[in-house]
Amino acid sequence: DAGVTQSPTHLIKTRGQQVTLRCSPKSGHDTVSWYQQALGQGPQFIFQYYEEEERQRGNFPDRFSGHQFPNYSSELNVNALLLGDSALYLCASSLGGPGYGYTFGSGTRLTVV
Amino acid sequence: RKEVEQDPGPFNVPEGATVAFNCTYSNSASQSFFWYRQDCRKEPKLLMSVYSSGNEDGRFTAQLNRASQYISLLIRDSKLSDSATYLCVVPAKAAGNKLTFGGGTRVLVKP
Repeated sequence: DAGVTQSPTHLIKTRGQQVTLRCSPKSGHDTVSWYQQALGQGPQFIFQYYEEEERQRGNFPDRFSGHQFPNYSSELNVNALLLGDSALYLCASSLGGPGYGYTFGSGTRLTVV
Repeated sequence: RKEVEQDPGPFNVPEGATVAFNCTYSNSASQSFFWYRQDCRKEPKLLMSVYSSGNEDGRFTAQLNRASQYISLLIRDSKLSDSATYLCVVPAKAAGNKLTFGGGTRVLVKP
């Protein structure tokens, strides 16, 4: 039973560049949520996708955008990268939109230089 | 006031000792809570769910105090492998169950 898969695992980008992170949910899950975890802090909710639509959004600027595909996989895009965007980006999948049973992927560590 | 607050620690614990720490939350309507464990540079993993007054799983006990709006986690007979950051998590029932995390409490168990 495949868990949540994220790619890439590590990424280094330059300020001002754009980045796309990918997430495949756990088998049977249809909802994907994205979180940003800066060093030494707890994860912060970015947004949640269900039925290919953004359902909830945290306090993140429009530079952060996403997409969910018909196979439930998801992408997180960040434009005009800032040094402060350096963090671990976690994807969590669950079933049925506002449900429980979150499973986290191992994350993508983004470093902006 | 932050929605979910935790003492960042670290809590330095001798092996075999008991350690306990709290998490306070601001939304009095919250009905359920989670404790997640996160090892260094890894993803959070669910440790315990708390839906009523508390929950116990082996050496781990979580308690909920609704009147004072805090949950606690107690670890008995600490093992070296218990060294980790423990994240308190509150799902927002009215907001698609997005998870609000505390900043985490770091526990270091030493021989």
